[in-house]
Amino acid sequence: QSVLTQPPSVSEAPRQRVTISCSGSSSNIGNNAVNWYQQLPGKAPKLLIYYDDLLPSGVSDRFSGSKSGTSASLAISGLQSEDEADYYCAAWDDSLNGLYVFGTGTKVTVL
Amino acid sequence: EVQLVESGGGLVKPGGSLRLSCAASGFTFSNAWMSWVRQAPGKGLEWVGRIKSKTDGGTTDYAAPVKGRFTISRDDSKNTLYLQMNSLKTEDTAVYYCTTDRGGWLQFRYYYYMDVWGKGTTVTVSS
Repeated sequence: QSVLTQPPSVSEAPRQRVTISCSGSSSNIGNNAVNWYQQLPGKAPKLLIYYDDLLPSGVSDRFSGSKSGTSASLAISGLQSEDEADYYCAAWDDSLNGLYVFGTGTKVTVL
Repeated sequence: EVQLVESGGGLVKPGGSLRLSCAASGFTFSNAWMSWVRQAPGKGLEWVGRIKSKTDGGTTDYAAPVKGRFTISRDDSKNTLYLQMNSLKTEDTAVYYCTTDRGGWLQFRYYYYMDVWGKGTTVTVSS
């Protein structure tokens, strides 16, 4: 049972912008850095954003991250068919029940 | 190029045991912190646990659902990470990924993320 809540799905037309929210608490997003992972169909996850808004080498700058309080967001601009994937937020959690927690995941569909 | 290759998955009965391996190459394995992450069929990602480098104590941490049943270890001479799974339950059925991790403190905030992922190995627990 994830402690980070994301919308199950979002969809948008090509070349448009989508935003995915990630809601947590003071023990995870509120205190620690947020990361985002992309999982293409049938593939292993891949690091997309780390430390709230930093892009690993090789990741398109169409992806951007932000954080405010106990929530975070991932934005994809100029949506392309290859962006159709599952996206997960994640963060370290300071509570006793968990250590590293993932979000519930969001399926992005390009119409 | 950093590579992680998992192996050892398969079909096992409830209550049984299985050991997964993750062969690492392309980086200094002995310095790396490593995790196991799993994904049940049609479900989201779930962190299983991690092991620090020996220079950082070599300690392990586990998620609540597997604590006391699963053990993560490493053999730095073989550049290999292991996941020993005992007392397996049907709910442990998943694809298991090994990852290289990065973590630390920056501007008074703790960061931790999975940098590189293997392709995964499938574990099925069924009678």
